[in-house]
Amino acid sequence: DSGVTQTPKHLITATGQRVTLRCSPRSGDLSVYWYQQSLDQGLQFLIQYYNGEERAKGNILERFSAQQFPDLHSELNLSSLELGDSALYFCASSSRPFREGRREKLFFGSGTQLSVL
Amino acid sequence: DQQVKQNSPSLSVQEGRISILNCDYTNSMFDYFLWYKKYPAEGPTFLISISSIKDKNEDGRFTVFLNKSAKHLSLHIVPSQPGDSAVYFCAASAVARGGATNKLIFGTGTLLAVQP
Repeated sequence: DSGVTQTPKHLITATGQRVTLRCSPRSGDLSVYWYQQSLDQGLQFLIQYYNGEERAKGNILERFSAQQFPDLHSELNLSSLELGDSALYFCASSSRPFREGRREKLFFGSGTQLSVL
Repeated sequence: DQQVKQNSPSLSVQEGRISILNCDYTNSMFDYFLWYKKYPAEGPTFLISISSIKDKNEDGRFTVFLNKSAKHLSLHIVPSQPGDSAVYFCAASAVARGGATNKLIFGTGTLLAVQP
């Protein structure tokens, strides 16, 4: 158990709909990262938050947004869903950014499988 | 633009033999490399890492080798065990401006099957 909790584990919805994926980081971790894994694809970095602020952005679509709340949990909002958004969405956490002098490895949750029908 | 590449989608090895998983990268700014293992229905779990100031790091049955000039790293598993059967992801990171992120760039993974 990595200590990172993602809910729900599975989500089935229709095209055009909006969903929210939730992530609770490991206790004490300040950073949350979101990744998308599509079929036959590696994990694509979407976005990172650190202590409530956006810190890095990857190939995240404009239809997608995220936020990190004061209790450090994070939500990934996916709207106007398309068939191609069907994927496994992972959340990961780490304790601090590099500038504090140490590289952190990421701890991943077990993911949310999103199916858009 | 795939900055981290794992060109072998799958690998099959006999139990007790060596498994060698390969990874290439294109971004010369990457200076920290990691391997993650992923079982079905689970998230990736950290396996081993290496900094660019080293060319080898060992942890039990797992050894990672880094060849900076070739922009290539490999993971050796000796001896391979059936429980090692999983998808292995190579990942890399670079120092961001202001040191603000530890984001990892992942390869597409290699499915390792260790046959009993």
